[in-house]
Amino acid sequence: AQKVTQAQTEISVVEKEDVTLDCVYETRDTTYYLFWYKQPPSGELVFLIRRNSFDEQNEISGRYSWNFQKSTSSFNFTITASQVVDSAVYFCALSESPSNTGKLIFGQGTTLQVKP
Amino acid sequence: DVKVTQSSRYLVKRTGEKVFLECVQDMDHENMFWYRQDPGLGLRLIYFSYDVKMKEKGDIPEGYSVSREKKERFSLILESASTNQTSMYLCASSLSEGLRETQYFGPGTRLLVL
Repeated sequence: AQKVTQAQTEISVVEKEDVTLDCVYETRDTTYYLFWYKQPPSGELVFLIRRNSFDEQNEISGRYSWNFQKSTSSFNFTITASQVVDSAVYFCALSESPSNTGKLIFGQGTTLQVKP
Repeated sequence: DVKVTQSSRYLVKRTGEKVFLECVQDMDHENMFWYRQDPGLGLRLIYFSYDVKMKEKGDIPEGYSVSREKKERFSLILESASTNQTSMYLCASSLSEGLRETQYFGPGTRLLVL
């Protein structure tokens, strides 16, 4: 069965600290996609990144970076020099197979609080 | 930019009322989804639709129904609202691309059933 686990329920850091949000997934498929979404207090989930299973190259976008490791079935998200505006709930998700359904399997989310 | 809108941000209803939650997307997406979000449970899929007049049950369809008469609009219906349906409801849409589909979300509706 497919599953996404975000073991960290809540994380609290002080501004400018680096923080890593963990995501571990389970799937028997060889082809799949992984996603990260951010949900600020306003409520709307904002798409951050999509990564396919054949691309293990780490990605960096400004203060955000993602580390995809198939060997450990992990897709971790790091925020460098965190800011108060990073406070949100972050969700990791996995594309559900078989394909063509467009369905995603979400983790339970990690609430990040960045204190000034 | 993809725009997904939901008819209400906050809604208060009484037990037994029929409730309609509306979702509209403006990007000609084939797929649309309704989720509910509860603390500690993440997002759970209620129903989804991959075409007009087509619908599929998600993980928790009980107590809900949906309607998709037009491609851009997907409605979630609570036939007889109950207090355990108090939740945050999120609508999403995606272009039909198989596994690589990215879902885009609306702002959510916080429903309180008294």
